[in-house]
Amino acid sequence: AQSVTQLGSHVSVSEGALVLLRCNYSSSVPPYLFWYVQYPNQGLQLLLKYTSAATLVKGINGFEAEFKKSETSFHLTKPSAHMSDAAEYFCAVSSFGGFKTIFGAGTRLFVKA
Amino acid sequence: DVKVTQSSRYLVKRTGEKVFLECVQDMDHENMFWYRQDPGLGLRLIYFSYDVKMKEKGDIPEGYSVSREKKERFSLILESASTNQTSMYLCASSLVRGQETQYFGPGTRLLVL
Repeated sequence: AQSVTQLGSHVSVSEGALVLLRCNYSSSVPPYLFWYVQYPNQGLQLLLKYTSAATLVKGINGFEAEFKKSETSFHLTKPSAHMSDAAEYFCAVSSFGGFKTIFGAGTRLFVKA
Repeated sequence: DVKVTQSSRYLVKRTGEKVFLECVQDMDHENMFWYRQDPGLGLRLIYFSYDVKMKEKGDIPEGYSVSREKKERFSLILESASTNQTSMYLCASSLVRGQETQYFGPGTRLLVL
């Protein structure tokens, strides 16, 4: 069985500050891990994904995430927040050959001017 | 660019009505999915399909059915809408199961009165 826990339903940062969104997963098989972003009134779009290659994954818009097997974590970071980063972010887990992708509950990021 | 379109952005229906939500993808993807999104619960899988005329129940199939007569089209049916089905419904498609990115439509916000 697989599961995802996102710590913090809301995160608020100032423009220019570090963004850190936390995600922990549980998986009995090697996981594939994803971060998706949802802007207001839109569907989800992929930010980045880990599929067993490099543990540090770079995505779009300056975001990156590091897969840490020992900590079962896949936290999302961005060095400097921009107002346009305000959105909801979802961490997700699946596995090779698996049909289902399990999504976390989401973290809404607020960026203050 | 992959495009997933959904028939309506907003829909208002009455309790007991039969509701059809349609989704079309233009990338010849094998897999299609229907999720519902509720605050604090993230995305929950209702049904998915890995081939034409094939369907599998997700985590919350009760009160829903689906139809996939053509590869590009996946319909979600609420046989008799109820107020607890008021939600955002997201359709997605992917080329390969598991490790592949899912591409999402913009969502249909359904209100059942």
